[in-house]
Amino acid sequence: QSVLTQPPSMSAAPGQKVTISCSGSSSNIGNNYVSWYQQLPGTAPKLLIYENNKRPSGIPDRFSGSKSGTSVTLGITGLQTGDEADYYCGTWDSSLTDVVFGGGTKLTVL
Amino acid sequence: QVQLQESGPGLVKPSQTLSLTCTVSGGSISSGGDYWSWIRQHPGKGLEWIGYIYYSGSTYYNPSLKSRLTISIDTSKNQFSLKLSSVTAADTAVYYCVYGSGSYYNFDYWGQGILVTVSS
Repeated sequence: QSVLTQPPSMSAAPGQKVTISCSGSSSNIGNNYVSWYQQLPGTAPKLLIYENNKRPSGIPDRFSGSKSGTSVTLGITGLQTGDEADYYCGTWDSSLTDVVFGGGTKLTVL
Repeated sequence: QVQLQESGPGLVKPSQTLSLTCTVSGGSISSGGDYWSWIRQHPGKGLEWIGYIYYSGSTYYNPSLKSRLTISIDTSKNQFSLKLSSVTAADTAVYYCVYGSGSYYNFDYWGQGILVTVSS
């Protein structure tokens, strides 16, 4: 059971928008920055969002992050078939003194 | 851009020590402020952070693995390494070496990963 909670799967049509949620507690999301990672099939994870809402160089602005209290959300607009992947949220947990991740959300673009 | 490449045996026997090395290119492993981590992913499962080493040699480990874990750094070779002792089938996973710029819990660049199977 993951410390951070994500929906196991989501689906949407090409061109649509999807929001992936990640919920935690005051010991993790509530008081630390959150990152999002995209893992395409058969590849290593790739950083999408850091410090809750910042995009690394090269990440298109179709990807966005937001935070409210002990939850964060990853938004993806203009969905493409190439966005089919597993998405993970991650942060530090001050009580566990451990890096924690969500269980991952498998996104299907129908 | 920092690039990372894992190397080591793909098969380890139970009770033995798993040893992996990460070779870093495109940047110096002795740059201050950077964290060098290991993360693993069990087959078909999510991500599990193993631990990090700072350029100075200071380390921090996942509490659940701490008793079996050693992460070390070789600045002369621009490499860092992982040793996990007394392995069992539960340690079968893809192991990633990872770079964090200025943060020990944000991971900027990942190696391609190496599958390590624990089996006799």
